Amino acid sequence: AQSVTQLDSQVPVFEEAPVELRCNYSSSVSVYLFWYVQYPNQGLQLLLKYLSGSTLVESINGFEAEFNKSQTSFHLRKPSVHISDTAEYFCAVTGTGGFKTIFGAGTRLFVKA
Amino acid sequence: DTGVSQDPRHKITKRGQNVTFRCDPISEHNRLYWYRQTLGQGPEFLTYFQNEAQLEKSRLLSDRFSAERPKGSFSTLEIQRTEQGDSAMYLCASGYLGDSPLHFGNGTRLTVT
Repeated sequence: AQSVTQLDSQVPVFEEAPVELRCNYSSSVSVYLFWYVQYPNQGLQLLLKYLSGSTLVESINGFEAEFNKSQTSFHLRKPSVHISDTAEYFCAVTGTGGFKTIFGAGTRLFVKA
Repeated sequence: DTGVSQDPRHKITKRGQNVTFRCDPISEHNRLYWYRQTLGQGPEFLTYFQNEAQLEKSRLLSDRFSAERPKGSFSTLEIQRTEQGDSAMYLCASGYLGDSPLHFGNGTRLTVT
């Protein structure tokens, strides 16, 4: 079985400041890891994913996440946020071998001018 | 790729009535999920299909909930004898087997009065 814990329910931050959204998981099998984003009044969409290989993965809009197997973490970071990054971010895990995808409770990122 | 579509977008029903939601996944996708999302929470796993086989159903799900995916195509989620606690956004998602991310529909918002 898998589980996901997002350690912060809300993260307020000023525009152009760095941000880190934390995610820890537990699983008895190897996993694939994902971050999804939900902008206000929109559906969930994929932000980035870790499947294998390099532990640092990036998105097209400047976010990055690092898979840390020893700490079972997959924290999301951005060096400089924009107002348009205001959204809810969900960490998700899928066990390899056809297991279900489980989501964390989400972190609401609020970027202030 | 026409995306995942869900019908209806909104459903208001009286307590005790039965409701049925439909999901049309992306046609090539093998996996189909149903999730429930309430305000401020992450998607909560309900059930999961691989082709037409229902592989898992959440232990939190009462017997009032049932889902089908005949012929491995569209899926329906039925809630019998609805209760006010069933009010939520019901999300459908589909994907390929293995490491592919999920594609979400816009959801069906259920309000039980």
